[in-house]
Amino acid sequence: QKEVEQDPGPLSVPEGAIVSLNCTYSNSAFQYFMWYRQYSRKGPELLMYTYSSGNKEDGRFTAQVDKSSKYISLFIRDSQPSDSATYLCAMSNRDDKIIFGKGTRLHILP
Amino acid sequence: EAGVTQSPTHLIKTRGQQATLRCSPISGHTSVYWYQQALGLGLQFLLWYDEGEERNRGNFPPRFSGRQFPNYSSELNVNALELEDSALYLCASSLEGGMSYEQYFGPGTRLTVT
Repeated sequence: QKEVEQDPGPLSVPEGAIVSLNCTYSNSAFQYFMWYRQYSRKGPELLMYTYSSGNKEDGRFTAQVDKSSKYISLFIRDSQPSDSATYLCAMSNRDDKIIFGKGTRLHILP
Repeated sequence: EAGVTQSPTHLIKTRGQQATLRCSPISGHTSVYWYQQALGLGLQFLLWYDEGEERNRGNFPPRFSGRQFPNYSSELNVNALELEDSALYLCASSLEGGMSYEQYFGPGTRLTVT
C-alpha cells in the first residue's frame, strides 16, 4: 500500500461548481497535511496546511483532515478557470521528509 | 521579495555524463530541499540541506549528491546520468530549521537525458 494515494484525474467541472479533491494515506504518524497547487511549467505553491485533524478555511478554499479515516480533502467553492492546475496533497510527521501525492489535474470549464 | 530561483531552466545531457543544477533560496531562508518530479511518479524527496549540512536524503543512489554554500545557495549534482533521470528537478526553501512543512518552490530545471 502506497503511503499517499491521490486520484490523478483529470477532473473537469463547470465554472462556479464546488470542487472536492481527496487523498488517503496509510502512515498514522503524519501530523501536518498540506495542499499545493502547481500550474503547468511552474513549481508547486503552498495553498494551505493543517495540523492534526479538523478543518481550515481560507477564502474559497477549505481543507479537512480526518485522521481516524486517514483521509484529507480540499474543497474549492465558486471555482474559476484560474483554478485549473494540478493539486498535490502532501503530509509529514514534522521531523521527516514530506510525502507528496501524485497530484490531481483539475480543469475548470468556462 | 524574490522567490526561489533555479538554473538552468533546461538541461540536455547524454547518458553517462554529469549534470549540475543550481538553486538560490529566498533571502533569509536557510534550508534548501531538492525534489525529483518524474512523469507518473510524482514529487520525490531527494535531499535536504540546512546551514551547510546534509540533514536528510531520500531513497536515491549516491550518484545524486549536492552541497549548500555559505550564502545558502545549493547545487545538485547527478553523476553517471541514466535515461530514467530525465525529470523536472525542483528546489524549495524554508525559513525554519527542521524539516519544514512550509516550503517555497522554484520553477524547476527540466533535465533531459538522451
